[in-house]
Amino acid sequence: AIQMTQSPSSLSASVGDRVTITCRASQGIRNDLGWYQQKPGQAPKLLIYAASNLQGGVPSRFSGSGSGTDFTLAISSLQPEDFATYYCLQDYNYPRTFGQGTKVEIK
Amino acid sequence: EVQLLESGGGLVQPGGSLRLSCAASGFTFSSYAMNWVRQAPGKGLDWVSGISDSGGSTYYADSVKGRFTISRDNSKNTLFLQMNSLRAEDTAIYYCAKVGIVYYDGSGGAHTNGVDYWGQGTLVTVSS
Repeated sequence: AIQMTQSPSSLSASVGDRVTITCRASQGIRNDLGWYQQKPGQAPKLLIYAASNLQGGVPSRFSGSGSGTDFTLAISSLQPEDFATYYCLQDYNYPRTFGQGTKVEIK
Repeated sequence: EVQLLESGGGLVQPGGSLRLSCAASGFTFSSYAMNWVRQAPGKGLDWVSGISDSGGSTYYADSVKGRFTISRDNSKNTLFLQMNSLRAEDTAIYYCAKVGIVYYDGSGGAHTNGVDYWGQGTLVTVSS
């Protein structure tokens, strides 16, 4: 199975900060990667698909980049509603695998 | 509006069985692959199983292979997960999730546009 290594596992940031989260795949996965946001007590929500495509209804402050093994999720100006846990998921092959998650907390 | 409603969770003893269901509405169920994803208390997301739109192809995480069976009834817009030989480490919220559109690139490679809808989950607790 492909391993997805996500970093950092947590970060503290202030409203307005730019935040970046990275995911590294143990082998090349083209651009077959999505980013998901999960708030406490809620189901995950798709933010980015195919590495860089913004899901409908997701604010443009979210962006994704990367291809092959290295991927990045960026939040250009952190808003109060963005404090959550973020996960990457490779959908290149089966079994699908998630990164370990990054918890974004308020500084 | 897309809706996914899981049911069937509960408390079961180690070695026991449960069958989860996911009732889908608001989209053409038979046209989309589906997944089960779980989350143990306080832990991250863990992909469990997937099934193609027709049900002809199924996929499993190594941790559940041989114990869990995914299936679907396209006539009833329902996804299932049969869980046997349950272990304490299977304790989790189980989410039903819809896979987005599958498309093909110029070289025939298949891609999807993510897992675009999720249910609210059903809790499975394996304990004596």
